[in-house]
Amino acid sequence: EAGVVQSPRYKIIEKKQPVAFWCNPISGHNTLYWYRQNLGQGPELLIRYENEEAVDDSQLPKDRFSAERLKGVDSTLKIQPAELGDSAVYLCASSLGTDGYTFGSGTRLTVV
Amino acid sequence: QQQVKQSPQSLIVQKGGISIINCAYENTAFDYFPWYQQFPGKGPALLIAIRPDVSEKKEGRFTISFNKSAKQFSLHIMDSQPGDSATYFCAASRDNDMRFGAGTRLTVKP
Repeated sequence: EAGVVQSPRYKIIEKKQPVAFWCNPISGHNTLYWYRQNLGQGPELLIRYENEEAVDDSQLPKDRFSAERLKGVDSTLKIQPAELGDSAVYLCASSLGTDGYTFGSGTRLTVV
Repeated sequence: QQQVKQSPQSLIVQKGGISIINCAYENTAFDYFPWYQQFPGKGPALLIAIRPDVSEKKEGRFTISFNKSAKQFSLHIMDSQPGDSATYFCAASRDNDMRFGAGTRLTVKP
């Protein structure tokens, strides 16, 4: 069984440019999460979806970040415009029920 | 607001030794306490987890000790191996709302 798939693995963009990350969760996992992990820190939740509904987006900087989960499966996280401080690893995870998240390998974003 | 505090930030252990990482949480509503292991360039992977109705859980060389009254839990890695060198994160969650500690970078020297 394939795990959580994220793309791209790496992205380098200039500040003020837009960027998008894609996530394909494990089949059947109804809950999907986007986390941001700064260097040397633990993951911090950006948004959580239950099926196609965003149930917790309180930590998502809504002025520049947006996310969607079409048909309750794949999800896209977008930043527009990117700032230098957005450089981080963006992790997607999925779960079935309340235990045991499965994380993808992440997208490492560098804003220059 | 950091809801899960983890220590130490880094840890160096000799091969065969015991690695101990500690975490403390604030929200008594948390009911699931996992530990994740992360290798460079990879996402965190679930290592072992515990619920507050037990005080200890052991899986192979990995043990979680849980102290509900103190709101603390710890990971013990027995007979530490160089392959255990990674970053370890504790976490606490309730109803799919999971909060992570800042991580501990473990180095096991051969």
